[in-house]
Amino acid sequence: QVQLVQSGAEVKRPGSSVKVACRLSGDTFSSSYITWLRQAPGHGLEWVGRVSPLLGIAHYAQNFQARITLTADKSTSTAYMELYSLRPEDAATYFCARGGYCGDGRCYALDLWGQGTPVTVSS
Amino acid sequence: LVLTQPPGTLSLSPGERATLSCRASQSVSNNYLAWYHQKPGQAPRLLIYDASSRATDIPDRFSGSVSGTEFTLTISRLEPEDFGVYYCHHQGNAPGTFGQGTKVEIK
Repeated sequence: QVQLVQSGAEVKRPGSSVKVACRLSGDTFSSSYITWLRQAPGHGLEWVGRVSPLLGIAHYAQNFQARITLTADKSTSTAYMELYSLRPEDAATYFCARGGYCGDGRCYALDLWGQGTPVTVSS
Repeated sequence: LVLTQPPGTLSLSPGERATLSCRASQSVSNNYLAWYHQKPGQAPRLLIYDASSRATDIPDRFSGSVSGTEFTLTISRLEPEDFGVYYCHHQGNAPGTFGQGTKVEIK
């Protein structure tokens, strides 16, 4: 079946960077976006950004603008989120999800989610 | 756009009806509003999109409606697997906007 499979849990030091992968299995990247979100323990969902594998463009939340890169590799149907200069408050579970964009005359919800990647930031 | 989900927690029993609210601070174009359900330790799951359309494989006890800027998710009869946190989301915009969530817990 179609699923988004994310890379495994990460433990990082403050000031380092983390790269999380999100592979679309059972389908190929189409015109959809891959949206990234995060959820700190006991908190709600925070929008991080989104990337269009087809167009090769990304949009970022202002909070992350200077220290995040979202990319996608169409040949492997894999999207990546790289977050730099990690802080303790970046500790969260990071999710990728398909959708969350407007195109073809309508706006799309997040219809398929990865399982989440926990990121721990600790010295 | 700000999405507000009062109350923070609903305490209900299995078999009861649940009515969840999501209030938008301004008009939502074409009612592009989605609802998700998240169980502990799991990713959210899409339930409703475009305010009232059920996502694939979502049972018909879930329904969505809208009146102006007030969106409602109704669960006609709660099943044990329905407990958890429900989020509303403004589809498609950037930066993405979510409500803070309503927790439905077992009474």
